[in-house]
Amino acid sequence: GQQLNQSPQSMFIQEGEDVSMNCTSSSIFNTWLWYKQDPGEGPVLLIALYKAGELTSNGRLTAQFGITRKDSFLNISASIPSDVGIYFCAGPNAGGTSYGKLTFGQGTILTVHP
Amino acid sequence: SAVISQKPSRDICQRGTSLTIQCQVDSQVTMMFWYRQQPGQSLTLIATANQGSEATYESGFVIDKFPISRPNLTFSTLTVSNMSPEDSSIYLCSVTGTGGREQYFGPGTRLTVT
Repeated sequence: GQQLNQSPQSMFIQEGEDVSMNCTSSSIFNTWLWYKQDPGEGPVLLIALYKAGELTSNGRLTAQFGITRKDSFLNISASIPSDVGIYFCAGPNAGGTSYGKLTFGQGTILTVHP
Repeated sequence: SAVISQKPSRDICQRGTSLTIQCQVDSQVTMMFWYRQQPGQSLTLIATANQGSEATYESGFVIDKFPISRPNLTFSTLTVSNMSPEDSSIYLCSVTGTGGREQYFGPGTRLTVT
């Protein structure tokens, strides 16, 4: 099945620093989704990307849909303590009986030191 | 996005018993999914809950262990049967958004089996 490789696995940064994480796949995705999960909560959708090359922002977050359609990047600028959590990339499987099913990356654990 | 609630939010259960988890959405949705998140891991799709027909299970998950009901377009249940400590996980339901390619998650049910 499809797999997503997300890196880095974890990051320890100082408040105010910028953060970058990425997700790669061996197969093409038509959509890239980025989620954040706080402890004890379900994942919350941050950004959805629908076209190759698309660059989308949500506040201090910016995500890009790679030109090859096999990768995506998430950047967080000027990090703050509430950015702490686990960030997941995800992509829906191709059509047919797999339509709508999401494959998730392994997650990036972000720790922000004040 | 739809508002999704899950009951119970957490439970501690004895080995060999069963637990039914409910997922309620505040609007009608076409597709609903159930995921499992084992401790420290990413999300894995268990099954697609189909309204009016049997759920579609992913490889490694079977109906006898994880029976699913979906009586209408706003509600679904997942039962974890004959539980063992290995079933200790967070169980999440999700629904597709109006665009059909993004998914929104409930808050999750944290299950501990002793």
